[in-house]
Amino acid sequence: QKEVEQNSGPLSVPEGAIASLNCTYSDRGSQSFFWYRQYSGKSPELIMFIYSNGDKEDGRFTAQLNKASQYVSLLIRDSQPSDSATYLCAVTYGGTSYGKLTFGQGTILTVHP
Amino acid sequence: DTGVSQNPRHKITKRGQNVTFRCDPISEHNRLYWYRQTLGQGPEFLTYFQNEAQLEKSRLLSDRFSAERPKGSFSTLEIQRTEQGDSAMYLCASSPDRRVGNSPLHFGNGTRLTVT
Repeated sequence: QKEVEQNSGPLSVPEGAIASLNCTYSDRGSQSFFWYRQYSGKSPELIMFIYSNGDKEDGRFTAQLNKASQYVSLLIRDSQPSDSATYLCAVTYGGTSYGKLTFGQGTILTVHP
Repeated sequence: DTGVSQNPRHKITKRGQNVTFRCDPISEHNRLYWYRQTLGQGPEFLTYFQNEAQLEKSRLLSDRFSAERPKGSFSTLEIQRTEQGDSAMYLCASSPDRRVGNSPLHFGNGTRLTVT
């Protein structure tokens, strides 16, 4: 069973702090890893993707991937109240299912002023 | 607007009725996906198309669900004899057909189905 697990929330951080969101996956054949943000009542929107071990930075966001540990994380620096949302980790596998995403259950982040 | 478009945005129906949703993907995207999302959960894969071919269906998709993409453009998802457990947000997404796993999905705004 291919599974994606996210750290249980909700996560609450003060404005300006670093928010750390974590995700583990069960299938070592996983190829690419995505972080989506979803505001209440809205559809998921892509923040970042990563497919090589190490860090990938985009503005205030950094994705970290460790394939040996089957672990991917998202760091949000200088958190803002507008970052308050549900963050979804998603994984793609190889073979004929390339491109199909398997999502975790999401972590609710609240950034308080 | 060049994003993924879904209609209707909301649908309220009585148990036992049939419903149909429509999705118009981004025009140059060959792949089209249907997901379902319930409160507090991540999106759950239902099925996907490459052009007009339906390549995979989730085992969670009962026989009451059918999806089509007749000309490789828009897609429809039909639910027959709806049940209260079908109440969810139905999300459509599209992506280019790249044989590299980093083609992100672009989601539409979803259709929220409520079965009473």
